[in-house]
Amino acid sequence: DIVMTQSPLSLPVTLGQPASISCRSSQSLVFSDGNTYLNWFYQRPGQSPRRLIYKVSNRDSGVPDRFSGSGSGTDFTLKISRVEAEDVGVYYCMQGSHWPFTFGPGTKVDVK
Amino acid sequence: EMQLVEAGGGLVQPGGSLRLSCAASGFSFSSFWMYWVRQAPGKGLVWVSRINSDGSSTTYADSVKGRFTISRDNGKNTVYLQMNSLRAEDTAVYYCTRGVDFWGQGTLVTVSS
Repeated sequence: DIVMTQSPLSLPVTLGQPASISCRSSQSLVFSDGNTYLNWFYQRPGQSPRRLIYKVSNRDSGVPDRFSGSGSGTDFTLKISRVEAEDVGVYYCMQGSHWPFTFGPGTKVDVK
Repeated sequence: EMQLVEAGGGLVQPGGSLRLSCAASGFSFSSFWMYWVRQAPGKGLVWVSRINSDGSSTTYADSVKGRFTISRDNGKNTVYLQMNSLRAEDTAVYYCTRGVDFWGQGTLVTVSS
């Protein structure tokens, strides 16, 4: 199985400041069709996960443009340009290129 | 409005069985692969099983292979997860997902004596 790692696992942030989460996979996520199925999810306590980003850098409908994704191959990044209070929660990267799909361990973002 | 509503969770003894269901609405159910994902209390997310759009292909995580069975009824817009020989480590919130982009609210399964 592909192992997904994230850093940091805990990210205290200052509201209004940028934040960045790194995600690395144990092997390339480039699928046979040429696409890279790397997703980012966000989960608030007691709620189900919500996808923010798909195929590395595409925002889902309704996702604010302060969220952006980048990367290729095995190294990926989620950036929040200016953190807002509603962004507090846990962020997961997830690979959908090889079954079983796998998630990273999660990065807990909270306010300093 | 798209909805996925899971049901069937609860408390079961080790070795017991449960059948989860997930009723879909607001989208063309028969066009999508459906998945089950679980999250143990305070832990991360793990894909459990998937089924293709017409139900002819299923795959499972190694941890549940031989014990869990995924199925679907496109006439009822519902996907199921039959869980047998349950273990304490199967305790989790089970989420139904449409592809990887839309999730239900989850149903809690607790395996304990």
